[in-house]
Amino acid sequence: DQQVKQNSPSLSVQEGRISILNCDYTNSMFDYFLWYKKYPAEGPTFLISISSIKDKNEDGRFTVFLNKSAKHLSLHIVPSQPGDSAVYFCAASALNNNDMRFGAGTRLTVKP
Amino acid sequence: KAGVTQTPRYLIKTRGQQVTLSCSPISGHRSVSWYQQTPGQGLQFLFEYFSETQRNKGNFPGRFSGRQFSNSRSEMNVSTLELGDSALYLCASSSRGGGGEKLFFGSGTQLSVL
Repeated sequence: DQQVKQNSPSLSVQEGRISILNCDYTNSMFDYFLWYKKYPAEGPTFLISISSIKDKNEDGRFTVFLNKSAKHLSLHIVPSQPGDSAVYFCAASALNNNDMRFGAGTRLTVKP
Repeated sequence: KAGVTQTPRYLIKTRGQQVTLSCSPISGHRSVSWYQQTPGQGLQFLFEYFSETQRNKGNFPGRFSGRQFSNSRSEMNVSTLELGDSALYLCASSSRGGGGEKLFFGSGTQLSVL
């Protein structure tokens, strides 16, 4: 069962513009949400996270928004840079659970 | 500090064979998780080990098994390989494997089943 869903397999934006990546989840027990970035031939690397007690977390060009009532989160990248081109995975876990569930990923392409 | 190390990087096997993949976590990390990545499916959770005990298991058949040693290194075994097992297998470690704790991934083992 796909508890974390990323419905957009790909996204293309122009350099300098905003990239918005979306993620939906079904399990209301999830307490933590994370975004990972993956380049080809490398493992995913942690980007930013948010706990369910917050609705926004910001780190430089990256901001994650959480809407618990809609079971939806999004990652905003402003401004987008060509080096941001990668696959982005949304992930979620519960406080008392040791497995982290990932979405299918969104391939972001930032064009110069 | 060295990162998560997975060996081998690439493997080619034939149907019916078995395979063992190895993962060395970051020093001091006691939790090791395994994931399968296939195109369009994202990362599918296989299992998680902590202090040599399997704490959680995903929805994979019994052909997929794992273990963890006292030094936290982990191995994953797949028996009676099928074509659909072709995937990138990723190992991730964290210090205690608690909810929300970020995972550190290795570069993965690319398994091709012919």
